[in-house]
Amino acid sequence: AQKVTQAQTEISVVEKEDVTLDCVYETRDTTYYLFWYKQPPSGELVFLIRRNSFDEQNEISGRYSWNFQKSTSSFNFTITASQVVDSAVYFCALWDYKLSFGAGTTVTVRA
Amino acid sequence: DSGVTQTPKHLITATGQRVTLRCSPRSGDLSVYWYQQSLDQGLQFLIQYYNGEERAKGNILERFSAQQFPDLHSELNLSSLELGDSALYFCASSVVGTSGTDTQYFGPGTRLTVL
Repeated sequence: AQKVTQAQTEISVVEKEDVTLDCVYETRDTTYYLFWYKQPPSGELVFLIRRNSFDEQNEISGRYSWNFQKSTSSFNFTITASQVVDSAVYFCALWDYKLSFGAGTTVTVRA
Repeated sequence: DSGVTQTPKHLITATGQRVTLRCSPRSGDLSVYWYQQSLDQGLQFLIQYYNGEERAKGNILERFSAQQFPDLHSELNLSSLELGDSALYFCASSVVGTSGTDTQYFGPGTRLTVL
């Protein structure tokens, strides 16, 4: 059964627009961790943010923010004022005893 | 730069052959993980080693094996290669690897092409 679902396959925006990426997860554990990773065209996987299941406080870090809601099992990620360099595939991941990744959302930011 | 190194960057080989991928974790990290990224399967966890011992196993084929050496570097061995094994293989490392508080940092990957 798929643990992490990223329903959006591709998103295309114009520079300076905000981009919100959806992530829905499934787990029976009460303790778990959620992550967002970015994979730019160069191919490496870059860690962005981590959240644990006990902390639903939503935060902002620079141009990144996230909305974690346990009631709906969602962990959405927003890039504010997008830039061309934000163009990448973004993966949501769930750690219960191993990391399970979603299928990824390709974000294209046009100048 | 995550601090995780992988060699080689690219590998082209033929079906039926055997290859070895190498990974050096970040300084101080005891856990090493291997992942496979392919178009049809996405990013899949293969196996985790902690301080030389196998800790967790994912969707790793029997034709694949891994080990972690005393200096903590790890090797992933792929044998009897098939066309479907063509993929990007990532190594990641973390300090311990027993909980999700331990972020995994990924290497640049090895792109394997099986012809």
